[in-house]
Amino acid sequence: DAGITQSPRHKVTETGTPVTLRCHQTENHRYMYWYRQDPGHGLRLIHYSYGVKDTDKGEVSDGYSVSRSKTEDFLLTLESATSSQTSVYFCAISPGGAVETQYFGPGTRLLVL
Amino acid sequence: QKEVEQDPGPLSVPEGAIVSLNCTYSNSAFQYFMWYRQYSRKGPELLMYTYSSGNKEDGRFTAQVDKSSKYISLFIRDSQPSDSATYLCALHRGSEKLVFGKGTKLTVNP
Repeated sequence: DAGITQSPRHKVTETGTPVTLRCHQTENHRYMYWYRQDPGHGLRLIHYSYGVKDTDKGEVSDGYSVSRSKTEDFLLTLESATSSQTSVYFCAISPGGAVETQYFGPGTRLLVL
Repeated sequence: QKEVEQDPGPLSVPEGAIVSLNCTYSNSAFQYFMWYRQYSRKGPELLMYTYSSGNKEDGRFTAQVDKSSKYISLFIRDSQPSDSATYLCALHRGSEKLVFGKGTKLTVNP
């Protein structure tokens, strides 16, 4: 998984609670991404980062925030989890910022009850 | 019209068959074309990418891009049970985000 770890790998939470997912990489790549994957929708970009404290929104960013205080860590926060945020969340990196070569982590399965 | 269309399958073939996986797209501005393989309950794995039109080969895998038809293909020769996975196409227009197809689930039967 290209030196990417995600934690937790599985989480069950209740509607209305905040949830933070962590992506950790060991190779100091600048570009990191958060995606969600849902049946019928495929992979969709939530947020991405192009450096420490530099982040931008993707196509499905509502209800999510991100932070990147260190190169190696990219955090995704669901501010108040809803059932529609039940999904599998993937982190990705792109060496050198080349969008065409993104490498994905193992994913986090989130269930919001 | 969706930006990328990919038949979800499922596709089931016998071991040794040649597999053809395809995506169509609507925006002629796409320049980079990627194929990912995703095993069940795992993250997507980049197989190969192609810039602009033409073919690219890597072992048993060949990626083909026809920009005039807005059609991309991944061929798998001598398919193996270990090729059983979901295959995702992905496209982008330069510095922008990737646009993914929904994936085709492939099963190769021994």
